[in-house]
Amino acid sequence: EDQVTQSPEALRLQEGESSSLNCSYTVSGLRGLFWYRQDPGKGPEFLFTLYSAGEEKEKERLKATLTKKESFLHITAPKPEDSATYLCAVLRDDYKLSFGAGTTVTVRA
Amino acid sequence: SAVISQKPSRDICQRGTSLTIQCQVDSQVTMMFWYRQQPGQSLTLIATANQGSEATYESGFVIDKFPISRPNLTFSTLTVSNMSPEDSSIYLCSGGGGGHDYTFGSGTRLTVV
Repeated sequence: EDQVTQSPEALRLQEGESSSLNCSYTVSGLRGLFWYRQDPGKGPEFLFTLYSAGEEKEKERLKATLTKKESFLHITAPKPEDSATYLCAVLRDDYKLSFGAGTTVTVRA
Repeated sequence: SAVISQKPSRDICQRGTSLTIQCQVDSQVTMMFWYRQQPGQSLTLIATANQGSEATYESGFVIDKFPISRPNLTFSTLTVSNMSPEDSSIYLCSGGGGGHDYTFGSGTRLTVV
């Protein structure tokens, strides 16, 4: 059965303190891995899609990487406005997304 | 990426009534989906909206409760029928494929009283 596991569940950071979020997956067929940011009461905001092991993508203070079994979202020198829940999802062979439970990041000034 | 407009953004409904949620995409997408998200939880897929044919429902969700339409490649509706307080949740539509990443609408916060 497909499984997507995110860790940690919650992460509290001081402003400027870099860290990484993990998304490990076991799926029968991976067409891509997505990262989203979700603020309370809003829909997920698309961040990145990664398609193959070794691929990396960056956007401002965020960098996503992908291996054959997991993906990392690195947050460099975070600011309070980076506080949100970060969701990863794998795109399966049937073109449906399987989501992890998310990591809630809180950045204190 | 495609931009998805979803409405209403929120509603308070009486039990036993129905609510229809609409999603409009600014470009043609191959796939459209409907999700439910309970407070503090991740997204649960309700169904895949298929253009011109019946939606495909996930385990635990049925067409009589959640009828879905998708008349074309840019529009879909989800109806929550015969509502009970247990249906109170955030409902989200998503679209992607056809060269577009999978993006989401802003969500509909439903409260059933």
